[in-house]
Amino acid sequence: EVQLVESGGGLVQPGRSLRVSCVTSGFSFEDYAMHWVRQPPGKGLEWVSSISWNGGNMDYADSVKGRFTISRDNAKTSLYLQMNSLRPEDTALYYCGKGAKPHGSGSYVDNWGQGTLVTVSS
Amino acid sequence: DIQMTQSPSSLSASVGDRVTVTCRASQNIFNYLNWYQQKPGEAPELLICATSSLQSGVPSRFNGSGSGTDFTLTISSLQPEDFATYYCQQSYNSLWTFGQGTKVEIK
Repeated sequence: EVQLVESGGGLVQPGRSLRVSCVTSGFSFEDYAMHWVRQPPGKGLEWVSSISWNGGNMDYADSVKGRFTISRDNAKTSLYLQMNSLRPEDTALYYCGKGAKPHGSGSYVDNWGQGTLVTVSS
Repeated sequence: DIQMTQSPSSLSASVGDRVTVTCRASQNIFNYLNWYQQKPGEAPELLICATSSLQSGVPSRFNGSGSGTDFTLTISSLQPEDFATYYCQQSYNSLWTFGQGTKVEIK
């Protein structure tokens, strides 16, 4: 059974940093791209970032480019999102998603975690 | 960036109704269009990938169609468990975008 468990969310002040993590199991982590998708309270889904199977390709939404960094540790079957210079508009539930393919292009999320809530407020 | 526009943003329907949700891309995305269902308090779930391929376990009353810029999700006979929010998502390239969602409510 595929499992994705996010952690690391919490309350953080604007301008500060936070790292969220996603520990996975139940599939060959090193074979698939991984993705972060967020959802502000009461709003829709927003794609945040993707990383290819070997970490060689990383993509970001314009709204987070230059502030967020996605990474993965295939030995630990884990995905990370380092978030710097956080803004109130970054407040959201952050979902970790397993991609269906080694890269993001032509792909989709076929398994989702339950999310970790990041709140940016003073 | 490719913009995805869903319509309507919400609809009210009764059990047994036929429901149609549309998704329009700002450029040709061929068939790289996926649909997700999200129920309140839950993570999204994949319904349909590559425009029309139903995910394993998804009831056959769900149907996806379209190509290029215009896509449709149809529920042939709405069931109580189908009341949820539906999102389209394009993956023509590695910079994904989601539609804003369509909330299907009980009439």
